[in-house]
Amino acid sequence: AQSVTQLGSHVSVSEGALVLLRCNYSSSVPPYLFWYVQYPNQGLQLLLKYTSAATLVKGINGFEAEFKKSETSFHLTKPSAHMSDAAEYFCAVTPSGSARQLTFGSGTQLTVLP
Amino acid sequence: EPEVTQTPSHQVTQMGQEVILRCVPISNHLYFYWYRQILGQKVEFLVSFYNNEISEKSEIFDDQFSVERPDGSNFTLKIRSTKLEDSAMYFCASVAGTGKGDTQYFGPGTRLTVL
Repeated sequence: AQSVTQLGSHVSVSEGALVLLRCNYSSSVPPYLFWYVQYPNQGLQLLLKYTSAATLVKGINGFEAEFKKSETSFHLTKPSAHMSDAAEYFCAVTPSGSARQLTFGSGTQLTVLP
Repeated sequence: EPEVTQTPSHQVTQMGQEVILRCVPISNHLYFYWYRQILGQKVEFLVSFYNNEISEKSEIFDDQFSVERPDGSNFTLKIRSTKLEDSAMYFCASVAGTGKGDTQYFGPGTRLTVL
């Protein structure tokens, strides 16, 4: 079964510093990959997704992610963290075959320090 | 901008009671999902619904669970006899198309507490 692993359940960065949230996937075929963000007491909001087009994907709020097949990775980055980026971030993958449901990683809580 | 809505935001129930969680997906969307997130754990898939029937379901979605789209607007998740371990945040999601890469739009969730 497809799965994703998020390294680091908690990441802290200073405001203005680079944000790097790691996600590795396990898949025998190119998957569809997603990053979602969850702000406190809110639902999940899509940041960006990879659907086998460009390997560098740009999303909302200045985030981007690069699909690297050789490393089976889809890490999320943002050049300069803002206080409003503090949230939980989830990487997700769709299964092989015809099913469409998302399999989520365990999440990374991002803290932005002033 | 259209959004998925869920009611109630918080439901408290006694073990063994039936609960119905309600969702209003985005209008004209075709695929509907329920996920749950037990506190401190991953978001887990429960069930998907398309063309008025269950498309996929996980091992979690046993006979205690059922889904329904009673009026073409609401999408409900029923738990017949709640257990303590059903306490979780339940998210509804809807998708406009049928492609695997289509975006799932999530509601704000219903926090279910089983006492």
